[in-house]
Amino acid sequence: EDQVTQSPEALRLQEGESSSLNCSYTVSGLRGLFWYRQDPGKGPEFLFTLYSAGEEKEKERLKATLTKKESFLHITAPKPEDSATYLCAVQGSGNTGKLIFGQGTTLQVKP
Amino acid sequence: DTAVSQTPKYLVTQMGNDKSIKCEQNLGHDTMYWYKQDSKKFLKIMFSYNNKELIINETVPNRFSPKSPDKAHLNLHINSLELGDSAVYFCASSQGPKRGETQYFGPGTRLLVL
Repeated sequence: EDQVTQSPEALRLQEGESSSLNCSYTVSGLRGLFWYRQDPGKGPEFLFTLYSAGEEKEKERLKATLTKKESFLHITAPKPEDSATYLCAVQGSGNTGKLIFGQGTTLQVKP
Repeated sequence: DTAVSQTPKYLVTQMGNDKSIKCEQNLGHDTMYWYKQDSKKFLKIMFSYNNKELIINETVPNRFSPKSPDKAHLNLHINSLELGDSAVYFCASSQGPKRGETQYFGPGTRLLVL
């Protein structure tokens, strides 16, 4: 059964203190691993898609990496506006587009 | 311009009532989805339609019935609402159901059953 586990559940950082969020997954035939950001009271906002081990993508202070078992979302010198819940999801084999989500990591960046 | 929109944003109702949530996307996508997010923020797929054809139907009570009148719209009708149905319901859309297509989410409908 496809499964996604994110850690830590919550993370508090000081502004400028870099860290990483982890997403461990088991899936039959990975078709894509997705990172989303979700602000309180809003829908998930797309950040990255990774397709194969070794792939990396960057956007401003965020960098996502992928191995065969896990993905990391690295946050460099975070700012308070980076505070949000970060969701990881995988798409396995099949042609339905079904995403399996992790429970998310809630990040709080203090000024 | 809103890409994926949902109405209503908030829905407060009594147990046993029937309610509908509407979703519209203006991205020209072929595939639309309904997700449920529980109090622990865990998102779970419920249904998906591709070109008005149902392609995902997870283990969801029969009280939930999706309807897609056209590719741009996907509605969710819920009969005989129960306390446990309280959650946030998100609509999403993607170009298609194939490999790695990004899903774009709406703002959510917050349902509270009293």
